[in-house]
Amino acid sequence: NAGVTQTPKFQVLKTGQSMTLQCAQDMNHNSMYWYRQDPGMGLRLIYYSASEGTTDKGEVPNGYNVSRLNKREFSLRLESAAPSQTSVYFCASFAGPSGEKLFFGSGTQLSVL
Amino acid sequence: AQSVTQLDSHVSVSEGTPVLLRCNYSSSYSPSLFWYVQHPNKGLQLLLKYTSAATLVKGINGFEAEFKKSETSFHLTKPSAHMSDAAEYFCVAGLFYKLSFGAGTTVTVRA
Repeated sequence: NAGVTQTPKFQVLKTGQSMTLQCAQDMNHNSMYWYRQDPGMGLRLIYYSASEGTTDKGEVPNGYNVSRLNKREFSLRLESAAPSQTSVYFCASFAGPSGEKLFFGSGTQLSVL
Repeated sequence: AQSVTQLDSHVSVSEGTPVLLRCNYSSSYSPSLFWYVQHPNKGLQLLLKYTSAATLVKGINGFEAEFKKSETSFHLTKPSAHMSDAAEYFCVAGLFYKLSFGAGTTVTVRA
């Protein structure tokens, strides 16, 4: 049981480049999330998907797009990377309501130069 | 919508002394509440969760938290800090699939 698998672990981009962060969970969870973590700001929600076929903006969606490809996969795309998007990104899935727990991926450290 | 406030950005304790991390939430309904810990350069690990059962919740590594509805608080405590408790701690409030993180509390433990 792999849990939440997130790739890549590290990435360096130049300003203006694009990339997609991949996330997959094998726990049959309905809800999936993308967070970014910056020092002193905790984890801020970028986008979430409450269920397959739906996506919604979180606190900081600007500059990002998401795709809920199927129940397992939820990808995050940066169309034109900016230095302000340098951060650690976490994907998560949520087992709820009866088994509430967030399962996190191992994170992606992204640097935009 | 709910929001979470962690009242201390940094807590420093001596090894063997109690630890208190404070968390207040605001929500129109009674949310599920969680504490997560993140050790340096590591992912997030669930310490404990409250989901409307007992108000005193015991977690891993000797941590516990008490849900107080009247105070809208969910403070995390540990009777005796260990060096390995040095980490960042996050309080999280969740209502169904909507989850909000506090800004985090960094705990340092002095020998």
